[in-house]
Order: sequence, then C-alpha cells, then structure tokens
Amino acid sequence: AQRVTQPEKLLSVFKGAPVELKCNYSYSGSPELFWYVQYSRQRLQLLLRHISRESIKGFTADLNKGETSFHLKKPFAQEEDSAMYYCALSAMRAGNMLTFGGGTRLMVKP
Amino acid sequence: ETGVTQSPTHLIKTRGQQVTLRCSSQSGHNTVSWYQQALGQGPQFIFQYYREEENGRGNFPPRFSGLQFPNYSSELNVNALELDDSALYLCASSLAGQGNSPLHFGNGTRLTVT
Repeated sequence: AQRVTQPEKLLSVFKGAPVELKCNYSYSGSPELFWYVQYSRQRLQLLLRHISRESIKGFTADLNKGETSFHLKKPFAQEEDSAMYYCALSAMRAGNMLTFGGGTRLMVKP
Repeated sequence: ETGVTQSPTHLIKTRGQQVTLRCSSQSGHNTVSWYQQALGQGPQFIFQYYREEENGRGNFPPRFSGLQFPNYSSELNVNALELDDSALYLCASSLAGQGNSPLHFGNGTRLTVT
C-alpha cells in the first residue's frame, strides 16, 4: 500500500527565512514524487516533480530513497509562497493515480 | 487553452439520494481522474477514465461510479449518499501516453449531504 505523510499541518515562517516542508512516503516499488500547491482562491496545481530535477519559484525537492523522503525546500521564503502544499506519490508510469499527503499550510509573515 | 471545468460548484443532497457531478477536461487531454477531498485532508483518488473505460480505482465502494464520453468529458455518480460523502470532489485531466503527465485540476464541486 502507498502512503504519504506530511507531519506538519501548519508551518509559519518570516519572509526571508529558509523553508522546509517535510514529506515522507511508504511504497515498495519505484515511486514518482510530486509537490502540488494551492494558492488562495486558485485551483490545485503542480509545483514540481522529482524526475524533472528542476527548481520552480526557488523551490527544490530531492528524493531520498534511503529515508523515503521528498522534502520541499526554499532558502528564502517570500510572502507570495503562502499557500497549501501537498506531497503526492504515484507508481512510476502509473498514469497519475496519485496518493496525496494531508497537506501543509505555509504562512510567510512579513 | 480551455482549463478543466466542473459543475455544479455547490450541491446539497439528502442522505440516500443520488448525485451526478460533471467535468469537462482541458483541451487536448484524454484522461480524467476524480478525487475526493474531505475537510482538512488531502485529495483521495477515486478512479480514472481513459478511452471511456475505468483504468484504475482507489478504495471506494461500487456506489461510486463514473463515465467518460467521446469528447473526454466525464461524470461521477454517487448512489445512496451517506453523510461521510460530504466533501470537495475534484476532477483532473491529463494526457495519457506521456508517462505521468501533470494533472490539471478543476475548482471542484462542494457536496454537502444532510
């Protein structure tokens, strides 16, 4: 069975501070990991995926298979980063049948 | 580019009733997935449709069923509604044949069962 855990429901930081949103997963096969984001009054949208190995809006995430983690990081938080963040997992090439974590609300204070 | 649209936006039903939710996929997309999001939780995968057939299902009972039409739009039907079915129902479209292509979500339908 697949499971995604985001241990923090709420993360509050000041503008300019580093941010790390934690994500741990359990899956026996080869996973594909994603971060989705939902800004206020907007729909859920893809932020980044581990196979792309890219930085989006200053965010990066590295898949650590040993620790079964996919933490999302940004060195300097901006107020516009305030949003709901969801980590999600899919079996490789499983056609986007995602298992989501419970989400972490990030609040960046001025 | 037309995004994913869902209707209605809000719906109130009584326990035991049946409901149909509708979704139009983003232009160029051929796969539709449905997710249930209870308050304070992450989305939970219900099922996915490709070429008008269900090609994957989450841990939901048979009273949750769906359809996909030749134009790739989709319906989610829920029979014998229960109070716990109250949730935000999200539709997402994607393009099959490109690995796990990104999901494009609609704004959801908020279902309240009383």
